[in-house]
Amino acid sequence: GDSVTQMEGPVTLSEEAFLTINCTYTATGYPSLFWYVQYPGEGLQLLLKATKADDKGSNKGFEATYRKETTSFHLEKGSVQVSDSAVYFCALIVGGTSYGKLTFGQGTILTVHP
Amino acid sequence: SQTIHQWPATLVQPVGSPLSLECTVEGTSNPNLYWYRQAAGRGLQLLFYSVGIGQISSEVPQNLSASRPQDRQFILSSKKLLLSDSGFYLCAWSVIRYEQYFGPGTRLTVT
Repeated sequence: GDSVTQMEGPVTLSEEAFLTINCTYTATGYPSLFWYVQYPGEGLQLLLKATKADDKGSNKGFEATYRKETTSFHLEKGSVQVSDSAVYFCALIVGGTSYGKLTFGQGTILTVHP
Repeated sequence: SQTIHQWPATLVQPVGSPLSLECTVEGTSNPNLYWYRQAAGRGLQLLFYSVGIGQISSEVPQNLSASRPQDRQFILSSKKLLLSDSGFYLCAWSVIRYEQYFGPGTRLTVT
């Protein structure tokens, strides 16, 4: 079946540090890949997405590149802020259905200190 | 613009009591609707999805059920809650298959 594996957290960084959160996947078909962010006490927000190999998704200073050869979609940000503290979820959808079942990783907690 | 509402925001219920969580979407027609659960310290799991009124598909056998009485209304129910039903319940909608938008969630604690 389809699955997503994220690096285990929590991740703790100082403000302006470089962030990488690793994400790898296995999929039965050709997936679209996503990063969602969940701020404390809130629902999930779509952060960025990539729908085909070598696509780079970007938003709010975050980037992730769809690497088919390594089945990866690592999230990066050059300089984190305290406001980036949240839980980050990597996810995928495989084609062939009309409804779009998201398969999520377990989430990575990020804490950024001033 | 589209908006998704969930209520209640938090809920504490005793074991064996019934449950009804409601989700409504505004600003779009005929969306796909989803219920996810996030257990403490774990990722999200798809529980139910619906592609139209009265059309419900279950992903995981469990103590819960879902209904879609109107195009933009999705309800999650249980006749008798279990301790294991505790978690954060998220409703989501999509029109484009690979873009899902989530509501604010309901935190359920079963005591």
